[in-house]
Order: sequence, then C-alpha cells, then structure tokens
Amino acid sequence: KAGVTQTPRYLIKTRGQQVTLSCSPISGHRSVSWYQQTPGQGLQFLFEYFSETQRNKGNFPGRFSGRQFSNSRSEMNVSTLELGDSALYLCASSLVTANTGELFFGEGSRLTVL
Amino acid sequence: DAKTTQPNSMESNEEEPVHLPCNHSTISGTDYIHWYRQLPSQGPEYVIHGLTSNVNNRMASLAIAEDRKSSTLILHRATLRDAAVYYCILRNNSGYSTLTFGKGTMLLVSP
Repeated sequence: KAGVTQTPRYLIKTRGQQVTLSCSPISGHRSVSWYQQTPGQGLQFLFEYFSETQRNKGNFPGRFSGRQFSNSRSEMNVSTLELGDSALYLCASSLVTANTGELFFGEGSRLTVL
Repeated sequence: DAKTTQPNSMESNEEEPVHLPCNHSTISGTDYIHWYRQLPSQGPEYVIHGLTSNVNNRMASLAIAEDRKSSTLILHRATLRDAAVYYCILRNNSGYSTLTFGKGTMLLVSP
C-alpha cells in the first residue's frame, strides 16, 4: 500500500514569507503528527491531529499551525518565516493515536529560509 | 514528559553484535519504550517496543532492565544497512506525551 506522502519535498522561502506543507497519510490512518528536524535540536514534535482535531501540541510558537481534513490529509503552516525555521519537516501517520500506534513517517519536506 | 538519554554515537564492525543503550530514569509505570531508526535521507522507521519484558522481532531485540530505568536495543549482527540514527522514546498510552525524539544515537558500521 502507498506510504505517507509529503509535498513539496524541497522548497526555498525568504524571511517573512509563509509556507504550507502537505501530508497524505496511509489510507485508513486517522492520526497525523508533525515533527521538525534540525541538526542542533534533533527531531522535535510539533503537533498531532486525530479525526480533524488537534490532539496534542509541542513547544513551538503560534506561527506554527496545522489542520486536518475529513480525508485525514493534513497541512501545516508556518507564518512569518525566520532563518531558524530552516529544517526538515516530517509527518507521520498512525492507525490510532500517535501515542499508541506504530508511526509511519514520510520522507519529509526540506525547507530553506533565506 | 519522561526523557531519555542516549550516547551521541557508537561504532561497530559488520557482522558483530551492537548494544545501543538508553537511560530513562523518570519512566512511569504506563510508559512504553519504543525504538525507531532513521536511515540517511529517509524518515524514521519503527524498530521495536516493549513495556516490561524483553522483546524480539526480526529486526532486533529489546532488553529492559528490571527497574525499567534503562533499556538496550540489540542488533545481533550489524550490517552496513544498519548504519542509522537510533531513537529511544517513551510513549504513554493514557496521556498526551509530546513524542520528542531528541538527537538519538548515530550508529556507524564499518566493513
């Protein structure tokens, strides 16, 4: 079956702009969680959506937001981009909540902020 | 959230066993110990998980200390394809843990 698909795979933005990243989970999976990966901080949890509701949120500023649609596809948005937002953004889907089920990760969207 | 501590990196030779340690001294009784690994240029993938008893699957074994304050991921015969970053995380089925993976352990495998 198809895995987790993230688009776009690579993108370049400038400071102050905003960006929207998309994640299509494995068919039937209801949970989508998002992570930011940087060399300095490692892999950090952003938030999780389950059945269109944000279930949990990590320690990130309000510039980072997300949503989930009725088909379980999810988007995350970062507004007013800063240089420090340059990172690999990963999403993971799970059949049940991210706390209980095996996580299946996509290959990520690499964002560069200039 | 309970935190885990792992060495930054470890080295191994091909076909030798590898023991990757993880300390989680503040683990709660309902926390499961999960291991994921991330191969170069890929997203993390599930390896194994356990609660109290040692666990085995086709990829690895998980040895959990009796007091559950530490665990060890065991790769019985390392291959070059096992070179990856290994993450040890705690997940609580009843709570809303933030699933922070941290920096993990980078495993280097030499031929």
